[in-house]
Amino acid sequence: AQSVTQLGSHVSVSEGALVLLRCNYSSSVPPYLFWYVQYPNQGLQLLLKYTSAATLVKGINDFEAEFKKSETSFHLTKPSAHMSDAAEYFCAVSETGNQFYFGTGTSLTVIP
Amino acid sequence: GAVVSQHPSRVICKSGTSVKIECRSLDFQATTMFWYRQFPKKSLMLMATSNEGSKATYEQGVEKDKFLINHASLTLSTLTVTSAHPEDSSFYICSAPSGGSYEQYFGPGTRLTVT
Repeated sequence: AQSVTQLGSHVSVSEGALVLLRCNYSSSVPPYLFWYVQYPNQGLQLLLKYTSAATLVKGINDFEAEFKKSETSFHLTKPSAHMSDAAEYFCAVSETGNQFYFGTGTSLTVIP
Repeated sequence: GAVVSQHPSRVICKSGTSVKIECRSLDFQATTMFWYRQFPKKSLMLMATSNEGSKATYEQGVEKDKFLINHASLTLSTLTVTSAHPEDSSFYICSAPSGGSYEQYFGPGTRLTVT
């Protein structure tokens, strides 16, 4: 069975500070892992994905995530937060690249 | 990149009526599409897999008679919420796979409000 746990439903950071959003997964096979961002009343935008290539994945808007198999983690980071980064972030796992299973989301607030 | 559209973006219906939501892949074909439901401030829950030319596959706990899915063509899947009740109010999102890049293209979502 596949599942995702996102620790911290709300994260607040100051503008310019490091962003760290945590994601741990459970999967019976090597997973595909994704981070999506969602702005209010909008759909999902892909930030980055891990599909068994490099374990450090770089995405859009300076986001990156590192796949750590030993820790079953795929935490999302960004060196310097911008006000425009305030949104809901979802981690997702898929064993086939078809059905996606999402974490409960982390709401990121950026404090000016 | 590939685009998935949904129509309508917002719909308000009365309790007891049915409402249809369309999901279209605009520049690619999708033999499979997926329907998700998102409650306020909650995650997306996979409801069902829509299969072109065959029956949809529903996730455990999702009522197939309540949420009718039809995948009539390679670019269109529809979700019909039958006999809607206020508890069906939600944000419904569809997606289609990218066909090789292990990625899903998500539609912009449909906000359903049942009064």
